[in-house]
Amino acid sequence: AQRVTQPEKLLSVFKGAPVELKCNYSYSGSPELFWYVQYSRQRLQLLLRHISRESIKGFTADLNKGETSFHLKKPFAQEEDSAMYYCAVIQGAQKLVFGQGTRLTINP
Amino acid sequence: DVKVTQSSRYLVKRTGEKVFLECVQDMDHENMFWYRQDPGLGLRLIYFSYDVKMKEKGDIPEGYSVSREKKERFSLILESASTNQTSMYLCASRKAGPHTGELFFGEGSRLTVL
Repeated sequence: AQRVTQPEKLLSVFKGAPVELKCNYSYSGSPELFWYVQYSRQRLQLLLRHISRESIKGFTADLNKGETSFHLKKPFAQEEDSAMYYCAVIQGAQKLVFGQGTRLTINP
Repeated sequence: DVKVTQSSRYLVKRTGEKVFLECVQDMDHENMFWYRQDPGLGLRLIYFSYDVKMKEKGDIPEGYSVSREKKERFSLILESASTNQTSMYLCASRKAGPHTGELFFGEGSRLTVL
């Protein structure tokens, strides 16, 4: 079964600093990976997916199959980036398995 | 605007009560899911449904059951609520098929069992 590990429960950085949220997954076949975000008092929503290779709100994430990682990065953090972030992987082509989540706080 | 609606935002129940959590989606999605969200544990899958009348256990199905009689509605049932089922419950839906991975979530139902 696919598993996702987010080693940091809490991450705090200053506004304007780079931010990296770590995600590692267990490998089984070709993984399809996602980052979801939950802002305060909002519902959980998709941030980005690896197959799209897109940048959303300045965030990017590259799939590194050698390290089985899918870390989320942003070069310059903004206060509105404060949120809960979840990494997820598709298992069995149908269900998503989520990591434990990382609470990101951007300090002014 | 796509929508997943959970009928109750907040519930308080007593130990042993039967609890129904309802979820409705208006996107004609085949797949529907129930997760519970707990600090430090992330989202854990309770049950999911590929399509009407189909269901499959997730990672933590014990103490829960589900019903999917209509495509748009997926219900989570706690037959006899216990205090360790106090949690935030999230419903989600998704279109079936490969590379359609985006899950659309409801706002959540916060259940407290006394």
